[in-house]
Amino acid sequence: EADIYQTPRYLVIGTGKKITLECSQTMGHDKMYWYQQDPGMELHLIHYSYGVNSTEKGDLSSESTVSRIRTEHFPLTLESARPSHTSQYLCASSLDGRVYDGYTFGSGTRLTVV
Amino acid sequence: GDSVTQMEGPVTLSEEAFLTINCTYTATGYPSLFWYVQYPGEGLQLLLKATKADDKGSNKGFEATYRKETTSFHLEKGSVQVSDSAVYFCALGGSYIPTFGRGTSLIVHP
Repeated sequence: EADIYQTPRYLVIGTGKKITLECSQTMGHDKMYWYQQDPGMELHLIHYSYGVNSTEKGDLSSESTVSRIRTEHFPLTLESARPSHTSQYLCASSLDGRVYDGYTFGSGTRLTVV
Repeated sequence: GDSVTQMEGPVTLSEEAFLTINCTYTATGYPSLFWYVQYPGEGLQLLLKATKADDKGSNKGFEATYRKETTSFHLEKGSVQVSDSAVYFCALGGSYIPTFGRGTSLIVHP
């Protein structure tokens, strides 16, 4: 049973639209993360948060933004979607900042920008 | 910096064959090591983990042993099933952000 929820699962949207990908977890985890997964499967960290009002950019430069106003909620926003944003987006959370217990991942949002 | 190298796929096997997916790492300190599995259309799930040298992680018939001397954490299963077809990721933790390998696709034929 997934304890981290991503919506929508699939999204097809036109170029220039603003979109928000939702991610919520019920485990009380402080640490949350967004990954972009390319067709070759490799994972790229784009944003992370260590707690409320904390957000950082990851290794992969991204035009998206995130917010963390509540512990359980970590939405990702694209102000103006482009075809290059087409990808799978995975949200994850962890209890321990040193990840000794691993991550819990959501099921992902597959975004297609046409 | 930390890095994880895992064998490229796809790995294609017949049902009941023996599976090995190689994973080696470079890291400072004493990281934890993980294997995650991703089924089609899903996110990643933690498959097994090991937190110190010589630990063996195991789950669902899969095993991996933390080998500090060879900096390896190879994934093995004695008899694969069609339902094991998925993408497998080796990962290294121990700092605040883990490092993932590029993933290895496993295809098991009946």
